[in-house]
Amino acid sequence: DAKTTQPNSMESNEEEPVHLPCNHSTISGTDYIHWYRQLPSQGPEYVIHGLTSNVNNRMASLAIAEDRKSSTLILHRATLRDAAVYYCILKGANTGNQFYFGTGTSLTVIP
Amino acid sequence: GAVVSQHPSRVICKSGTSVKIECRSLDFQATTMFWYRQFPKKSLMLMATSNEGSKATYEQGVEKDKFLINHASLTLSTLTVTSAHPEDSSFYICSARVNGDGTYEQYFGPGTRLTVT
Repeated sequence: DAKTTQPNSMESNEEEPVHLPCNHSTISGTDYIHWYRQLPSQGPEYVIHGLTSNVNNRMASLAIAEDRKSSTLILHRATLRDAAVYYCILKGANTGNQFYFGTGTSLTVIP
Repeated sequence: GAVVSQHPSRVICKSGTSVKIECRSLDFQATTMFWYRQFPKKSLMLMATSNEGSKATYEQGVEKDKFLINHASLTLSTLTVTSAHPEDSSFYICSARVNGDGTYEQYFGPGTRLTVT
C-alpha cells in the first residue's frame, strides 16, 4: 500500500493558520493526494484532493511539493470546529483506487 | 456533496446473535461500496470492497463468513456481523464511490457503533 507519514498530533491557536504536513515518498505518478478529516464518533469528511498543482477550496488549501513526495494541508484560520483527526491518503492504481487510512494527525485548536 | 447514510447509528446486541448494518447512497448511484471498522483511538481499517451485483472482496485477515456483505442495488449495501462476540464491538463505517467523473470520489457514512455484550 502507498504509505503516508503524518505527525501524531498538532496544536493551533484559534483563528491562526495551521499547516498539517504529510510525507509520501513512495507516491507514484498516478496517485492522487486526498485529505479527509474525522470528528469524534463521525465518519470521515472530505477536505481536499490534488494531483500535482496546489489546490484551493472553501475549506482549505493543499500545497504539493514539486517532487510530490510531500504535501501540506493549510487551514487558513483555525476554528474550534476544525478540531479533528486529519488523514492524508494516497489513492491511485497502486492502492487499487481504494483508501487506506494511516494514523492521521489529531489537531487540537486552543481557544 | 453526495450523502451516505447508515442505519442504525448505534446498536447493542448479545453475544452469539447477528446484527445487520445498512449503508445507503441517498442521492447518487454507487457501483462500489467499502466497509471499514475503527477501534477507539485507532485509524480506519478497510474490511472489504463490494461491487453491485457481485461478491465482496475482503482484505487479508477479515473473515468473510463472519462479516457478510451484500450489495444488492446501486444504492444499498449491508454488512451482517454473524455470531457477534464482544471483540467485534467497534465503529463500522461505510463509504460509497462515485464513478462519474473519473476521479472516483468517495463519500463516507456517519458510522454505526456496535456494542456486543
